Amino acid sequence: EAGVTQSPTHLIKTRGQQATLRCSPISGHTSVYWYQQALGLGLQFLLWYDEGEERNRGNFPPRFSGRQFPNYSSELNVNALELEDSALYLCASSFSGDGYTFGSGTRLTVV
Amino acid sequence: SQQGEEDPQALSIQEGENATMNCSYKTSINNLQWYRQNSGRGLVHLILIRSNEREKHSGRLRVTLDTSKKSSSLLITASRAADTASYFCATDRAPSGNTPLVFGKGTRLSVIA
Repeated sequence: EAGVTQSPTHLIKTRGQQATLRCSPISGHTSVYWYQQALGLGLQFLLWYDEGEERNRGNFPPRFSGRQFPNYSSELNVNALELEDSALYLCASSFSGDGYTFGSGTRLTVV
Repeated sequence: SQQGEEDPQALSIQEGENATMNCSYKTSINNLQWYRQNSGRGLVHLILIRSNEREKHSGRLRVTLDTSKKSSSLLITASRAADTASYFCATDRAPSGNTPLVFGKGTRLSVIA
């Protein structure tokens, strides 16, 4: 069984640009969660999608947005990138909410 | 906002020793989970303990939960160099269904061979 896959692995963008990060959940998992992990810090919750709908949103500005597709894969978009957006972005999926399976993350660097 | 706080922030032990990490949280929970993260990678789910459970074992891992003190501990027995990683607790706020897991800042464990 394939795990949660994220792409790209690394992404370098210039301040002000837009970044798009992608996540494919484990087959059968309908919930996708996005977290931001800045260097040396814990995970900050960004967004939760389930069955194509946004279920919950963390304390992040509106320039962080996303969506979930009919096949349950998900996209995270970050507009007007700022230097402090540099972080590891982790996607996780679950079926029942008990125990998340994480992808390996996308390392976003804003220069 | 952080729900869980792990303690200590960093822990260094010799191979073969036991490692104990603690987690405190603020609100009522349905369950508490522990995850492990190797440097710069995704997190791996280790163990889940529900609010009506007091202790749970999985291999060399032992987790306890004290809901009256809003705290949990993770014990890794007979540690190995391969256990070197960051360990996070995560809580699912009660009632369930509407909130994602909230993670602490983690304990960085170093096991010296």
